[in-house]
Order: sequence, then C-alpha cells, then structure tokens
Amino acid sequence: NAGVMQNPRHLVRRRGQEARLRCSPMKGHSHVYWYRQLPEEGLKFMVYLQKENIIDESGMPKERFSAEFPKEGPSILRIQQVVRGDSAAYFCASSPALAGDTGELFFGEGSRLTVL
Amino acid sequence: ILNVEQSPQSLHVQEGDSTNFTCSFPSSNFYALHWYRWETAKSPEALFVMTLNGDEKKKGRISATLNTKEGYSYLYIKGSQPEDSATYLCAFIDSGYALNFGKGTSLLVTP
Repeated sequence: NAGVMQNPRHLVRRRGQEARLRCSPMKGHSHVYWYRQLPEEGLKFMVYLQKENIIDESGMPKERFSAEFPKEGPSILRIQQVVRGDSAAYFCASSPALAGDTGELFFGEGSRLTVL
Repeated sequence: ILNVEQSPQSLHVQEGDSTNFTCSFPSSNFYALHWYRWETAKSPEALFVMTLNGDEKKKGRISATLNTKEGYSYLYIKGSQPEDSATYLCAFIDSGYALNFGKGTSLLVTP
C-alpha cells in the first residue's frame, strides 16, 4: 500500500514563473491537507480539500496560490508568479477521516521549492 | 491562528535516560491533540491522537498524557535509544479543520 506520494521532490523556479506541486493521497483517503514549512519555522496549514471541493483555505495566501483535488488524479498546489519568499518545503498529508475525528494524518516526503 | 507551544526547543540526552516534552495549547474549544515523530529526511509519522481529558496513550517506550482543562500534553520516552532521535511535533485542532502544529522538540540521544 503506497504512502502519500508527492512530486516533484525538488523544484527550482525563477521569479515570475509558475510552480505546480502534486500530491497523490493514500489509497482510500479522501481528505487532503497542504502544509508549508518555511526555513526555521514549523508546519503551517494552508488548505484542506476533499474530492472536488475546497473545504478550508484559511491558511493560503489570497493571491497567486490555488489548490485543487479533482475527481480523478492528484491534488495540485499551484503557485503563480513565484517570489523568493515562496521558497519552502510544501508537505501534503492525507487521512481517511477528518483530522479532528481521530483521523491521523499521513504525510508525504514533501516538495522543496527554491525560487532563484 | 491557534498558538501551540512546545518546550524545550531541543534536548540532548544519553542513551538510557528517560525524558519528557511539553505541548501547550488553547484550552477552549478543544477537539483533538496529535503527536507526530519526524525523523530527518523522512516524513512525519503519527504517534498518538488524543481526544479526551485525562487520556493516556502508550506505544512501546513512548507514552503521552492529556489535560484539556489546563491546555497541556506531555510526551514521555522511557529509556531513550539513539533511534529515538527525531523531532517530536504536537498539533492541536479545535472545531475547525486545520491541525495547527507547534515548532517541535528536537531530541538527540547519544550512545
């Protein structure tokens, strides 16, 4: 049973380019969370999605960032017109139930974005 | 944004020592508290999910307690081993959807 798969593991972009990060949840998991870890910081919640729906995007910057979890295929975190401050590790996690309903999160190994 | 505080920030113990860390969280609107273990170059793995005041959970040499009324949880490691070296994260959730993580306690166990 494969774990949460994230790709790419490392991504380098120049300022102004777009970054797309993909996350395939564990089989049978319908809840997907994206977290960002800035240097010297902890994991910060960005967005929570279920299939085809964004449930909570309160942690996501209002501009340039978007996320989706289509009916078919992986969840995608998209960052448009990247800036140096977007350089961070982006972690995806999935769970079979809501995190509050004793649903522990299963994390991927992260995608490390570097903006030159 | 919910403030989850963990202490100490880092800890260095000798093999065989027992140790404990603290996680403090807002005591209002409690829903669940999670503990995760994060080894270098790997992804965080869940240790415990705790929901009830007074909960005590145990997995091998690691155990955790929860006090929701005063807003803290303790994680204990008995007889630390070098393979216990990792960052230990706690995360709190209220009535919303987001698990809010602390910055973690970094544990180093030397032989």
